[in-house]
Amino acid sequence: AQTVTQSQPEMSVQEAETVTLSCTYDTSESDYYLFWYKQPPSRQMILVIRQEAYKQQNATENRFSVNFQKAAKSFSLKISDSQLGDAAMYFCASKGGKLTFGTGTRLTIIP
Amino acid sequence: DSGVTQTPKHLITATGQRVTLRCSPRSGDLSVYWYQQSLDQGLQFLIQYYNGEERAKGNILERFSAQQFPDLHSELNLSSLELGDSALYFCASSVADSYNEQFFGPGTRLTVL
Repeated sequence: AQTVTQSQPEMSVQEAETVTLSCTYDTSESDYYLFWYKQPPSRQMILVIRQEAYKQQNATENRFSVNFQKAAKSFSLKISDSQLGDAAMYFCASKGGKLTFGTGTRLTIIP
Repeated sequence: DSGVTQTPKHLITATGQRVTLRCSPRSGDLSVYWYQQSLDQGLQFLIQYYNGEERAKGNILERFSAQQFPDLHSELNLSSLELGDSALYFCASSVADSYNEQFFGPGTRLTVL
């Protein structure tokens, strides 16, 4: 069984600043993937970044990067130079079989 | 645009009724997944099909069923609808039945009155 926990229901950040969203997970799978998805007000689920568990190097995608701590089962998302368009719900997800989502963090960008 | 299409966008119906949600995966994708998202909740996995066969089941109620057709589109059937079935239903697709990332459709918003 897999569980994904996002302990921050809401976060806010000033425009152009950096924010980190937390995620912890638990899985019995030896090989798995981790994802961050963004859900803006349009409700579309958009993949932000993915991390293969067997890779030690942290994934980066432009202003988005992760801090993957495998032993601690932690997978946080850092957003640099926050923009108004980053305002959304962010879901952490783990896939070692089925895709399991956390409950989400609502990110507000303050102009 | 993910390439995954879902129809209809919105559906309003009454308790006790039956509805069918349709999903067309991205071209070349063999796996289709269905998820339910209730208000301000995370997505709950319902069921997966791979190349026409059921591959995995999640928290899917017995009143719900799905199938994947030879052209790879999928339908999710919801029957004896209850108020609590009101939710956003997402379809996602992936290339294969492995660890590939899933691409999500825009969702169908179901309202049961």
